[in-house]
Amino acid sequence: GAVVSQHPSRVICKSGTSVKIECRSLDFQATTMFWYRQFPKKSLMLMATSNEGSKATYEQGVEKDKFLINHASLTLSTLTVTSAHPEDSSFYICSASYGWLQYFGPGTRLTVT
Amino acid sequence: AQSVTQLDSQVPVFEEAPVELRCNYSSSVSVYLFWYVQYPNQGLQLLLKYLSGSTLVKGINGFEAEFNKSQTSFHLRKPSVHISDTAEYFCAVSDRETSGSRLTFGEGTQLTVNP
Repeated sequence: GAVVSQHPSRVICKSGTSVKIECRSLDFQATTMFWYRQFPKKSLMLMATSNEGSKATYEQGVEKDKFLINHASLTLSTLTVTSAHPEDSSFYICSASYGWLQYFGPGTRLTVT
Repeated sequence: AQSVTQLDSQVPVFEEAPVELRCNYSSSVSVYLFWYVQYPNQGLQLLLKYLSGSTLVKGINGFEAEFNKSQTSFHLRKPSVHISDTAEYFCAVSDRETSGSRLTFGEGTQLTVNP
């Protein structure tokens, strides 16, 4: 089946630093990848839609200068949280689209101290 | 625009009992329907999907769901649950017209299976 990986699975960083999260589709090419944020005991909140070779489309209320998304190839998208603050602590999940299906990565737990 | 309502935020059941997790949706366009499961600190795993054809779809782990167009529902069922089914379940829809379109999720239902 289609597999999506995320790296790292957990990261702890200090306030003011930047963190990069990678999302890879391992056995298929994904023209579209999605980035979600999930708060404890809540549903997934779509942050942005990323298409290979073009700028990401951000959802309303998501700061594009803070959450930088790069979709450099058909198998890799990255999310960089710039100048992270404690309120950015969350579970970040990516997904990769294959036809009408989305396959999800295992998530990245970000803790900003 | 689409919206998804999961009618129960928490469903506690005993092991080997049947369970139904309810999902209703609204949409101005035709949609595909999905159920995902999320175990603690993990990503989402596709349980089953309705794309076309038979309105009763079978998924992994013994789950099934029935698409009811007139009631705009897609309830998830399992005749006999196990402890290992304890997880968060999300119902989701996507636009049929656009490949790779975004998913709209419900708020989730926490299924807790007790011994």
